[in-house]
Amino acid sequence: DGGITQSPKYLFRKEGQNVTLSCEQNLNHDAMYWYRQDPGQGLRLIYYSQIVNDFQKGDIAEGYSVSREKKESFPLTVTSAQKNPTAFYLCASSMETRTGGNQPQHFGDGTRLSIL
Amino acid sequence: KQEVTQIPAALSVPEGENLVLNCSFTDSAIYNLQWFRQDPGKGLTSLLLIQSSQREQTSGRLNASLDKSSGRSTLYIAASQPGDSATYLCAPQDFQKLVFGTGTRLLVSP
Repeated sequence: DGGITQSPKYLFRKEGQNVTLSCEQNLNHDAMYWYRQDPGQGLRLIYYSQIVNDFQKGDIAEGYSVSREKKESFPLTVTSAQKNPTAFYLCASSMETRTGGNQPQHFGDGTRLSIL
Repeated sequence: KQEVTQIPAALSVPEGENLVLNCSFTDSAIYNLQWFRQDPGKGLTSLLLIQSSQREQTSGRLNASLDKSSGRSTLYIAASQPGDSATYLCAPQDFQKLVFGTGTRLLVSP
């Protein structure tokens, strides 16, 4: 079945540590996205990528980094510079949207990150 | 900057009721609007996408309408069931990005 796989489901970070969240899709989608969800708040966009080897900052990119070396993969690194990383992280993908438009986003099941 | 508001924040109804969830947004220059469902601790499931040129979209017991000029969308759920219990999120698309509301938490009791 086609879909988006996020791993791990739960992740714990120590002080000063970088951690990487995995997102893989087999939907042949061009665009991929990372969101952060905090209790009582809407999803906020961290980074997005419309094509391999290219990505743009979203609304809350500080303390995060990404790469897009393959179409299927869009890993997110939460760096030690992110002082409040505890949240639910969601990855999504869609068909190409460089021209804007009407392609639905499909989501993975999320990774819950906590601080030790 | 696009801001999205969903009312009510929470809703509890008995099984079988028809109900309406509301979504308003401040910038009407959108490409489309998506409605999602989120179960506790899970990712989002896309329910409906309404293109900016459309007025409504239907899928089974769900009907979503869009009034772009007034910045409003509604999700109508007919004959609600306990399995409909979840948080419902609306998200207008600004060019390449979705902007999310905080959702309506729905509980349908048997």
